[in-house]
Parts: sequence; C-alpha cells; structure tokens
Amino acid sequence: QSALTQPPSVSGSPGQSVTISCTGTGSDVGSYNRVSWYQQPPGTAPKLLIYEVSNRPPGVPDRFSGSKSGNTASLTISGLQAEDEADYYCSSYTTSSTWVFGGGTKLTVL
Amino acid sequence: EVQLVESGGGLVQPGGSLRLSCTASGFTFSCCWMSWVRQAPGKGLEWVANVRQDGSEKYYVDSVKGRFIISRDNAKNSLYLQLNSLRAEDTAVYYCARVVGEYAFDNWGQGTMVTVSS
Repeated sequence: QSALTQPPSVSGSPGQSVTISCTGTGSDVGSYNRVSWYQQPPGTAPKLLIYEVSNRPPGVPDRFSGSKSGNTASLTISGLQAEDEADYYCSSYTTSSTWVFGGGTKLTVL
Repeated sequence: EVQLVESGGGLVQPGGSLRLSCTASGFTFSCCWMSWVRQAPGKGLEWVANVRQDGSEKYYVDSVKGRFIISRDNAKNSLYLQLNSLRAEDTAVYYCARVVGEYAFDNWGQGTMVTVSS
C-alpha cells in the first residue's frame, strides 16, 4: 500500500496550463480506470475534481482535465486562475479492494 | 444537499481508544459504500477504511488493521470508526467520505481532529 507518486509542487502564471503527474503501479493506476483527483484549498475538506481518469462531476469547470497512460495518470489545469491555488491529490482503487492516495502537489499561481 | 458531519475527536493518551461518528443526510445512506480518510498535520491524505452498503465487507489500510473497526448503522444514517491502541502517528483529521459507484469520494465531511499524546 505505497502512496502514489506526485511532484511536491508545481507553479504557473494566470492563463497558463500546468500538469500534475501521478505514478503508481500495475496494482493500482495501471489496473483500472478508477483514478480520481481532489482539490484541497488550505483549511478545507477535499473536493472531487475528476473521477474515472477523465470525468468531471457537475459544477467542475472544463479547465480541469484528466488522462492516463500505463501506470501514470495526469491532471491538467488550463487557463490558470488565482483561485486554483491549492493542494491536489490523486487517488486510485487497487487490486486489493483498497484505495491509495498520492502524496499531494501544491499548486502555486504566480 | 448531501451532508456528512463527523464528531467524536479529541485528545487521547497513547494506547487509548476513541469512537468517531459520521452522521449523513441529504441522500439514501444505505446506497453507498462509505470510507474514512485521514490527514496528519501538514501531511497528505491517507485512506483508512471502507465498508460496504450492508456492512458485510470491510477493508483497512495495513497500518490500522487489528486496531480500528469501521461500522455503520443504516437505520441511524451513521458511520463509525472505533480507534483502539492509539499511537502518536494516528494523530490526524479524520474525514468521513461517501464512495460513488465510480470508485471516487464525491462528498466529504468537515473532519474531526484526533490527537494522540501524553
């Protein structure tokens, strides 16, 4: 049950795009399309952004998109806005019927 | 509107016990798997446990197996986490989260803080 690997931090200027990677193994990310992404501004509970690799729940802007290749999933945020500054976490269901999260990535909007 | 409200956190000595509760409203509680996710101070999210709709299946992260017990009472729209043999490394905010069919956590509570310290 090792955590998925995310970069500790990424940054970008308003209007730019950033991509956050999430690397797992064949027992989690690589096995299923059951990867989800969460946004957590400081001091708040996480919020679901993306489910099943690339699907957005109602109300999530289409600036947020997800993809997957092999054991690595990615979250891309286009048209960066100041309000996007937050911590982002990936998560995957595993072959052991458990879940695993990534270590989190802090997004700074310059 | 879906609401999840946790309670029961607090300060407890190492080796002690605590019972967390999560009261759900705004949806049919028995529809869904439910989970507990925790976050140590300044750290990332860690999935802790989940329970099937009827309580017949339960899964845990290795670090809490044999110490924590997840349960639910659908008649009371409530989810529970019994924390036993607590350690300093169990100090965290504990979130209750609903699991949707797409294997994602679509609604979260505000969290309840558990501090294990002498």
